[in-house]
Amino acid sequence: AQSVTQLGSHVSVSEGALVLLRCNYSSSVPPYLFWYVQYPNQGLQLLLKYTSAATLVKGINGFEAEFKKSETSFHLTKPSAHMSDAAEYFCAVSDLGSSYKLIFGSGTRLLVRP
Amino acid sequence: DTAVSQTPKYLVTQMGNDKSIKCEQNLGHDTMYWYKQDSKKFLKIMFSYNNKELIINETVPNRFSPKSPDKAHLNLHINSLELGDSAVYFCASSHQGRSNEQFFGPGTRLTVL
Repeated sequence: AQSVTQLGSHVSVSEGALVLLRCNYSSSVPPYLFWYVQYPNQGLQLLLKYTSAATLVKGINGFEAEFKKSETSFHLTKPSAHMSDAAEYFCAVSDLGSSYKLIFGSGTRLLVRP
Repeated sequence: DTAVSQTPKYLVTQMGNDKSIKCEQNLGHDTMYWYKQDSKKFLKIMFSYNNKELIINETVPNRFSPKSPDKAHLNLHINSLELGDSAVYFCASSHQGRSNEQFFGPGTRLTVL
């Protein structure tokens, strides 16, 4: 079965600092991986996705993620945090088979200090 | 302009009542989903329809019944509401395919008193 683990339920950074949100996956086949962001009282918005093309994926709002098969990781980074980045971030893997449901990690709350 | 819309946004009701949540997408997608987000923000799939056919039915009490009258709509009816049903329910849609992005609605916050 496929699964996703997000280390750290809360990450706090200073404005302008590097953002690193961790995601590890478990999959018996090449995974399709996604990062979504959820702002307070809103739905989820796609940041970026990995679908077996380039291992370094660039997304919206300056975020990027690198797929590392050897480490089964898909960590999300941003060089310089902005106050507006404060939100909940979810890593997800697309299920194998025809259903294609998303299996989500438990989420990481990003706090940005002024 | 809204891609995936849900009504209502907030729903407060008493235990034992029956309620419905509606979802509509104008993206031309063929697949729609219902997810439940609990108080700890954990997201879990409940149902999915592809071209009006049920393709995912996770372990959900049969008090929950989805209905898809057409490809653009997926409604969720809940009978005999319980306290544990309190959560945020998200509708999503996509083209069918493993690499395809799912677009999420704004969510419906259900509170059962």
